[in-house]
Amino acid sequence: GAVVSQHPSRVICKSGTSVKIECRSLDFQATTMFWYRQFPKQSLMLMATSNEGSKATYEQGVEKDKFLINHASLTLSTLTVTSAHPEDSSFYICSAASLLHTDTQYFGPGTRLTVL
Amino acid sequence: GENVEQHPSTLSVQEGDSAVIKCTYSDSASNYFPWYKQELGKRPQLIIDIRSNVGEKKDQRIAVTLNKTAKHFSLHITETQPEDSAVYFCAASRGTGFQKLVFGTGTRLLVSP
Repeated sequence: GAVVSQHPSRVICKSGTSVKIECRSLDFQATTMFWYRQFPKQSLMLMATSNEGSKATYEQGVEKDKFLINHASLTLSTLTVTSAHPEDSSFYICSAASLLHTDTQYFGPGTRLTVL
Repeated sequence: GENVEQHPSTLSVQEGDSAVIKCTYSDSASNYFPWYKQELGKRPQLIIDIRSNVGEKKDQRIAVTLNKTAKHFSLHITETQPEDSAVYFCAASRGTGFQKLVFGTGTRLLVSP
């Protein structure tokens, strides 16, 4: 089956710093990747849709200048949380759609971000 | 935009009982409805999905039903086991995996031995 990885799995940073999270499709090419945020005991909320070679599409209420997304290749999308604050602490999960398996999104294992 | 409501928020059953989780959606253009199981701190795992051209789909102890007219779909788990304990999310989208998923609020299922 299709495998999506994320790195790092867990990160702790100081307030005001930036954090980069990588999402990789390991055995398939993904023209489209999605970034979700999940707060404790809550559902997954879509932040943005990342398309290879073009600008990401952000959901309403998500600051594009704070959450920078780059999808430079068919296997890698990155999310950078700039000037992180404690309220940005959350579980960030990416998913990827496969050109061969267009019916399904495959989720990464998630990144636990804690901002002190 | 699409809005997905999910009930109940928590569900406790005894091992061997059945569990039913219900979702409603608002966007009549939605035609793909997956269900995910998420264990604490883990990624969501697709357990079953259904498309709008089908009314019911079954995979061993798990089944999903869809009522397009009423815009609701349900997850049925029979002969529940303790390892079924997790949070279950329904979702809806307008089509293929390239379309964004809108998730329900989740149901915490607890199966007691």
